Amino acid sequence: QKEVEQDPGPLSVPEGAIVSLNCTYSNSAFQYFMWYRQYSRKGPELLMYTYSSGNKEDGRFTAQVDKSSKYISLFIRDSQPSDSATYLCAMRVGTGRRALTFGSGTRLQVQP
Amino acid sequence: EAGVTQFPSHSVIEKGQTVTLRCDPISGHDNLYWYRRVMGKEIKFLLHFVKESKQDESGMPNNRFLAERTGGTYSTLKVQPAELEDSGVYFCASSPSTGLSNEQFFGPGTRLTVL
Repeated sequence: QKEVEQDPGPLSVPEGAIVSLNCTYSNSAFQYFMWYRQYSRKGPELLMYTYSSGNKEDGRFTAQVDKSSKYISLFIRDSQPSDSATYLCAMRVGTGRRALTFGSGTRLQVQP
Repeated sequence: EAGVTQFPSHSVIEKGQTVTLRCDPISGHDNLYWYRRVMGKEIKFLLHFVKESKQDESGMPNNRFLAERTGGTYSTLKVQPAELEDSGVYFCASSPSTGLSNEQFFGPGTRLTVL
């Protein structure tokens, strides 16, 4: 069983839609939770990170972490064609070790 | 400010050959990481340098892989001899050492194809 599960998609939505992306995980030691965006032939780019449970908002993006359910989400409001990319969740334990554990990524296509 | 750079962008080699990948982190970043994504799988951690020291090499798959970071600046990852299953995209990332920075800045990756 993978430590982090993420639906690969692809997910296709019309421009302006609200997008919900999710990951589940099994390791209760994870404390930091990130969302990366990756465009084709580029490296992952950090969008959001959250420590422990709770919500964090940045512009059109909202990240939620529910540690009791081992479930994290990324919401994108008013989605734009430029949001079309692969979205990767990543997480790491709280102390010392900085290695990130990634989900497999969800391909998002926002149709104009 | 220049980002993380990786060289080459693409490498095609025969099984049994040797390949060396290079990563130049963002200037001043003490932490340097190697990850890789093999076909159809998720990105997986290989190792973490703090300056020139290997902090965590728990993700290195076997002794055909050798990572170095002499002088604590750029890093190289050598695969010798390469096998078919080594094909994939190798990412390098770096981060500063101050505070609890969680942002690892990724390079564009090196796409390795072993034939």
